[in-house]
Order: sequence, then C-alpha cells, then structure tokens
Amino acid sequence: QVQLKESGPGLVQPSQTLSLTCTVSGFSLTSNSVHWVRQPPGKGLEWVGAIWSGGSTDYNSALKSRLSISRDTSKSQVFLKMNSLQTEDTAIYFCTHYGGYSEGWFAYWGQGTLVTVSS
Amino acid sequence: DIQMTQSPSFLSASVGDRVTINCKASQNINKYLNWYQQKLGEAPKRLIYNTNNLQTGIPSRFSGSGSGTDYTLTISSLQPEDFATYFCLQHNSFPTFGGGTKLELK
Repeated sequence: QVQLKESGPGLVQPSQTLSLTCTVSGFSLTSNSVHWVRQPPGKGLEWVGAIWSGGSTDYNSALKSRLSISRDTSKSQVFLKMNSLQTEDTAIYFCTHYGGYSEGWFAYWGQGTLVTVSS
Repeated sequence: DIQMTQSPSFLSASVGDRVTINCKASQNINKYLNWYQQKLGEAPKRLIYNTNNLQTGIPSRFSGSGSGTDYTLTISSLQPEDFATYFCLQHNSFPTFGGGTKLELK
C-alpha cells in the first residue's frame, strides 16, 4: 500500500537551510508526483511545491526563490531544500502524493515532521 | 493563485446535529474540490474527492456538493468522533487549501 514518511532535523537556526527527505513505498516516483505541504502550529495548510513524475518541479510562488525539490528514484526518496529560513517557516512539513486518475489528489500523507526555526 | 474562503472558521454543535461547512473559490474550479478531516497531531484524512465522491471507508453521513465556485461539506448526524478540524482543497490549478473549520462540541 502507499506509504510516505518524512525525516529531517527538528531544529534549524534562522538563516540556515532546511533539508527534508520523504521516503515513499507502494508506488513509483516515475509514475506519480510527490508534493510538500506545511502547517504552522495551530494554523492552516499551505502547498509548498511538487516534483512530477517526469522530474519537473513546481513551487509555491511565495517560496519559489528559496525552495528546491529533487528526487532519487532508485531510493524512492524526494528531497526538499529551503534556504534562508525564518521563524515563520516553523511548521509541520508533510509529504503527500497525486496518485493519478485512480487515486487522485492527496489521498495519502506522511505523518509529518515538525521543523522549528530558532536560535 | 486560486483563493479558497472557508466558512465558518469555528462551529459549535451537538451529537446528532446536521452541520454544513462551505468553501468558496475565487474562480471556477470545475468540481476539483476535496474535503479533509484533521485531528490534533495527525495528518489530514481525505473524506470526499472531486466534490461528491466518498473516500473508501468514510461513513455515509459525510457528503459533498457544489459546482463552479461554491462547495459544501455536510455531516448529516454528528458522531463524537467527528469533532475535529475540516479543510477544503482545490486542485483545479496549483493546490490551495481553505483556512479550516474547527468543529467543537457544544
């Protein structure tokens, strides 16, 4: 079955770079896209960006200048890198996926990883 | 970007009540609208996809409707486990979420 799991540091200093990994199983990265969504504590959900099955990427326009998403298909892993972190980037970061016509958008999610930006 | 305005932000109700939650898009989203339930400390759970399709395993008391820019999630008879936060998601273009509705026990 489809599974996604985020991993990364829980604490990042201001102005530093965040690196997160989403490890997936139950589907191929060359067939489905993986998306990152974040949620500041106690607030709503924000789409961060995606890497599509062909390897192209799209980013939230508000974050585009600081963001990079890549993948290693042999390891079934997707990577998120965001630089120049500020306190407002503190959030739970989820990965989720678009499963095509059969599964649609964001049916499966990882459990999320809390990233705190603080010195 | 398509903006999603969700209402109400907070809703107080009792077990057995019928409740409705609304999402309004800033432009036509062609029924590409999902609904999610989220409990504290958990990932969102998809309830409804493409406006009115019930996710497998979700009770039939949940239903969705709408078209164009206006969409509704209805819970026909609230159960204790339904008290949670609900979000809509449009995927007609780059995904955007509604601000959420926190459903609380009256």
